[in-house]
Amino acid sequence: DGGITQSPKYLFRKEGQNVTLSCEQNLNHDAMYWYRQDPGQGLRLIYYSQIVNDFQKGDIAEGYSVSREKKESFPLTVTSAQKNPTAFYLCASSTISYNEQFFGPGTRLTVL
Amino acid sequence: DAKTTQPPSMDCAEGRAANLPCNHSTISGNEYVYWYRQIHSQGPQYIIHGLKNNETNEMASLIITEDRKSSTLILPHATLRDTAVYYCIVRAQTSSGTYKYIFGTGTRLKVLA
Repeated sequence: DGGITQSPKYLFRKEGQNVTLSCEQNLNHDAMYWYRQDPGQGLRLIYYSQIVNDFQKGDIAEGYSVSREKKESFPLTVTSAQKNPTAFYLCASSTISYNEQFFGPGTRLTVL
Repeated sequence: DAKTTQPPSMDCAEGRAANLPCNHSTISGNEYVYWYRQIHSQGPQYIIHGLKNNETNEMASLIITEDRKSSTLILPHATLRDTAVYYCIVRAQTSSGTYKYIFGTGTRLKVLA
């Protein structure tokens, strides 16, 4: 099955700890994206990448970091510098022609 | 960046057409309008997109006004499974030449039996 996988579905961490969210796609898409969603809100762009070893900051990149060492993978690290990390995190990918984005199932992060 | 405005919620009777409006009055000439929907705690699902012309696919129709300042998503025969939050999104070009989606807060559509 082609698609995007995110793991784990639920994640709990203590305040002050860094945590890495996984995102893998087997759609052979060049572009990948990370979004954050807070309750009752739309999605906000954290980071995006068009190509391996390159990525750009989105609208709310502070307190987050990413890497793109492989085309299939785009992990997101939520650092201790992120003031309000509890949220629903969504990963997406698209072809380089930037038509529809395909979204993963999301990871719900709760910081205690 | 263009932004979208949608009503926060709508109800629709099962089997009837659901018409979801969206205002995007600051949209630029080369910015596309996309529609996605999100069922609770899942990833958004693509529905349809367009630039100037009306579009139709197996899920929905998209009507864009001639001045492109607003659009309407039409679900022709709504079912209970269409209950979701519907996002009208503008795809804008960044300064680096890539594209990003600008999400609004969406419309929560409830289809009633």
